[in-house]
Amino acid sequence: GNSVTQMEGPVTLSEEAFLTINCTYTATGYPSLFWYVQYPGEGLQLLLKATKADDKGSNKGFEATYRKETTSFHLEKGSVQVSDSAVYFCALSDLRNRDDKIIFGKGTRLHILP
Amino acid sequence: KAGVTQTPRYLIKTRGQQVTLSCSPISGHRSVSWYQQTPGQGLQFLFEYFSETQRNKGNFPGRFSGRQFSNSRSEMNVSTLELGDSALYLCASSLWTKYEQYFGPGTRLTVT
Repeated sequence: GNSVTQMEGPVTLSEEAFLTINCTYTATGYPSLFWYVQYPGEGLQLLLKATKADDKGSNKGFEATYRKETTSFHLEKGSVQVSDSAVYFCALSDLRNRDDKIIFGKGTRLHILP
Repeated sequence: KAGVTQTPRYLIKTRGQQVTLSCSPISGHRSVSWYQQTPGQGLQFLFEYFSETQRNKGNFPGRFSGRQFSNSRSEMNVSTLELGDSALYLCASSLWTKYEQYFGPGTRLTVT
């Protein structure tokens, strides 16, 4: 079945550092891919999405490109801020699979040091 | 447009009791999913409802149940609470099943 694998955390970076959080997926169909973010004490928020190969999702300085050849959807940001400290979840949804549901990765905790 | 609301936000129950949590989706959204989040197990899917019908169910015991009403509002119930049921319970709504989901703030359940 479909699955999502994220890099283990926590990831600790200094402010203004470059961020990459790896996400790879396994899917039999043509999934849409998502990144969600969870700030302390809150629910998850949709950060960005991509619905087909080579699409780039972007929001709040974060970007991720849907790479079908490497089955990846890595999250990147050029210069992180302390306020980016949160847990990040990669997810996929295969709309063509009737019985499938949205699959979430285990989450990657990000700590940004001032 | 109002977001997903969950009530109550915090709850403390005793082992053996039962609890009902409520979720109001975004207006117009017909799909509601429930998740359990714990530090050890992460985010785990409980079930999804669409048009009052359960479409998908995760790997949880029968003590966990849910329902959806005609206005798309959903409730989940946990009977015979165990200490391990202490968790953050998240509700998410989407326009259609498997579309991008919008999460509520969660209900923090503590079982003592």
